[in-house]
Parts: sequence; C-alpha cells; structure tokens
Amino acid sequence: NAGVTQTPKFRVLKTGQSMTLLCAQDMNHEYMYWYRQDPGMGLRLIHYSVGEGTTAKGEVPDGYNVSRLKKQNFLLGLESAAPSQTSVYFCASSRDLNQPQHFGDGTRLSIL
Amino acid sequence: ILNVEQSPQSLHVQEGDSTNFTCSFPSSNFYALHWYRWETAKSPEALFVMTLNGDEKKKGRISATLNTKEGYSYLYIKGSQPEDSATYLCAYNSGGSNYKLTFGKGTLLTVNP
Repeated sequence: NAGVTQTPKFRVLKTGQSMTLLCAQDMNHEYMYWYRQDPGMGLRLIHYSVGEGTTAKGEVPDGYNVSRLKKQNFLLGLESAAPSQTSVYFCASSRDLNQPQHFGDGTRLSIL
Repeated sequence: ILNVEQSPQSLHVQEGDSTNFTCSFPSSNFYALHWYRWETAKSPEALFVMTLNGDEKKKGRISATLNTKEGYSYLYIKGSQPEDSATYLCAYNSGGSNYKLTFGKGTLLTVNP
C-alpha cells in the first residue's frame, strides 16, 4: 500500500550541482504534480503531467525540468541548483481533477 | 489568474470549541473544490472533494459546504480537539482545459487543551 513515494527524503547540494527527484505512484493515476512549499507561500505548482509522455508548466517552472516516460514515474530535475531552490518538494497524483490528490512525504532540499 | 482566498489566516481555539473557516474562489467557472488537512512535518491529506452546488460532506466532526454560485466553501469543525491542530487548505479547479488545482494559502488552526 505504497501510494506516492518520493526519493530522496533529504538532500544537500552545492550551488551549480544537478540532481533528480523521483516520484513513483502505484495507483495507476493519470495526473501527477510537483509542488514546492516555502514559508508564507503555501503550495506552488512547478510542473505537472496529465498522462504518460506529457508535461506542462505550472506557476513556478523556471530552473526545473520534468519527464514522465512511464505512467507511474514523474521526475523533477534541477540542472544547476541555486540557493533559491532550497525548499520542501511534494509530489502528488490523482485519478482525475474531481478526485483527491495523494501526496508523497516530501523531499527536503537544501542548496548551499 | 485564479485567486483562491482563505480566511482567517490563523486562529486559536480552546478544546471543545466549534469553529469554521472560509474558502473563496472565482464563481465564473467551476469544476471541483478540494479541502486538505496538513499537519506540521507531514504531507497534505485529502478531506473532501466537492463538485456540485449545495454539496455537503461530512467526516466525523469535520464537515464542509459548497456554494458555487457565490464562490465560497465553508469548513466546520465541531468540538475541536488538540489533534485537529493543522493547516487546512482548499484548492479549486475551473474545469475546461485547466488541469491544475489552485491552492489557497491555508488556515492554520491551533487547538489549545
């Protein structure tokens, strides 16, 4: 009964380094989302996908790239990490927009 | 720009008090309204998804109502308990070609024992 699994849970990067955050869901959901949570800003949508092979920009896409090569996986990449990308990142998935989103446990990312 | 406003931003209540918060969203187009409960250091958990004007949903001591014509939803907590302390988020979708939820910034509830 895994639901939505995010890896890693924590990571510290140096400015300029790259990394990929993985989100995996086992519920056969079409829709997947990447959000970031910052103090006082609530949840902000970075990128999303409405099905395998599709991606679209959200509210704050700059500095991030995503891929959805398999339906169950949604990858978030940082090509050249910046301190402004220090945040907690949440992945979510849902069957449809009139169905609840299921969230992963989050990835805490610090960029020095 | 789809604005979702939640009020109040925060409130403190005593154990046993009943309380309610408001979520306001654009009334021009509507598909779904979500409520989530978000405890500190955890991830958001879905409470309700409502799609029809006049919908009322209930889960234990928590209930929600929806008015799509005037663009608001209320979340009610009856007999608040310390374990109800959390941020309550609402999120709106306008339908059509919009495949995203727009989240409000949440109402932070603290229940004092």
